[in-house]
Amino acid sequence: SAVISQKPSRDICQRGTSLTIQCQVDSQVTMMFWYRQQPGQSLTLIATANQGSEATYESGFVIDKFPISRPNLTFSTLTVSNMSPEDSSIYLCSARDTSYEQYFGPGTRLTVT
Amino acid sequence: QKEVEQDPGPLSVPEGAIVSLNCTYSNSAFQYFMWYRQYSRKGPELLMYTYSSGNKEDGRFTAQVDKSSKYISLFIRDSQPSDSATYLCAMSSSASKIIFGSGTRLSIRP
Repeated sequence: SAVISQKPSRDICQRGTSLTIQCQVDSQVTMMFWYRQQPGQSLTLIATANQGSEATYESGFVIDKFPISRPNLTFSTLTVSNMSPEDSSIYLCSARDTSYEQYFGPGTRLTVT
Repeated sequence: QKEVEQDPGPLSVPEGAIVSLNCTYSNSAFQYFMWYRQYSRKGPELLMYTYSSGNKEDGRFTAQVDKSSKYISLFIRDSQPSDSATYLCAMSSSASKIIFGSGTRLSIRP
């Protein structure tokens, strides 16, 4: 199994600013993902972070708003840009290993004021 | 019609009861089936992982997949208050993204 850590665990940010969330996996994984989860709701996939190339975004999410980096097989960042209160949510990093088992980090709780 | 349907609950049962959680799906290409447990303010934790049809048992937990009916289940025996959480079913085909159910909130009454 993969153990995933995220930083920061939570933050309160002002409207119009940006926040970068870091995700570290304790082993090399084939795929990394970023999800968003509103309180009491299921998970919404934002994008697949591709190592060495541009991320693949889901419908409704764009690179200018959610730039993603994945410089190697164990690390990725998600930036939430030009934030508004509607961006308040929990952001989750996830990783899939070669057996197709997918694991999640503890999440970053973001509040935009 | 959603690809994955899951009763959101909430489901409340007494301690020691057998719990049955279920999901139905529409995509016959799904081969990988998962159950996640999510405690409040925590990330989802992979609980059970099954490939194709059949049963898988791990301690008090049993996962069942019936591909002919497009139906999966998670059974929890001898339920404990610590099992109180939201349970999400999830599934995928070989290399595609995982599709999650909406989650069932479970509460075990002492």
